[in-house]
Amino acid sequence: DSGVTQTPKHLITATGQRVTLRCSPRSGDLSVYWYQQSLDQGLQFLIQYYNGEERAKGNILERFSAQQFPDLHSELNLSSLELGDSALYFCASSVSGATGELFFGEGSRLTVL
Amino acid sequence: DQQVKQNSPSLSVQEGRISILNCDYTNSMFDYFLWYKKYPAEGPTFLISISSIKDKNEDGRFTVFLNKSAKHLSLHIVPSQPGDSAVYFCAASATSNSGYALNFGKGTSLLVTP
Repeated sequence: DSGVTQTPKHLITATGQRVTLRCSPRSGDLSVYWYQQSLDQGLQFLIQYYNGEERAKGNILERFSAQQFPDLHSELNLSSLELGDSALYFCASSVSGATGELFFGEGSRLTVL
Repeated sequence: DQQVKQNSPSLSVQEGRISILNCDYTNSMFDYFLWYKKYPAEGPTFLISISSIKDKNEDGRFTVFLNKSAKHLSLHIVPSQPGDSAVYFCAASATSNSGYALNFGKGTSLLVTP
């Protein structure tokens, strides 16, 4: 158990819909990262927050947004969903925004039909 | 643009033998490298890391080698055990004031057979 909690574990929705994925980091971790893993793809970095502020941005689509709240939990919002958005979405956390060991949650599997 | 590449999608090794997983990167700014291990239905877990100031780091049965001139790193597992069967991801990052996001490869699925 990494200490990172993601909900929901599974989500099935239709094209055009909007969903929110939630992540609670490990206790004491200030930094949260979101990654997307599509079929046969590696983990694609989407976005990082540190103590409530956006720290780094990766290949995140404009239809996607995220935020980190004062209690440090984070939400990833995916809108106008397309079939290609079907993927595993992982949240990870670390103590600071620096140095690389991240602790990953079990992921949220999104299926868009 | 895939900056971290794992060109072998899968590898099968007999128990007790050495497993060698390879990783190449293209970004010369990367200065910290990690290996993660992932079992089905679980998130990736950190295995071992190496800084660019070193060329080798060892932790029990796991050793990571870094060849900066070739932009190549490898993970050696000796001896391999059936419980090592998992997907292994190579990751790299560049020290940055704006973050420390990891760039991952696509993973290599290791199967250790008895």
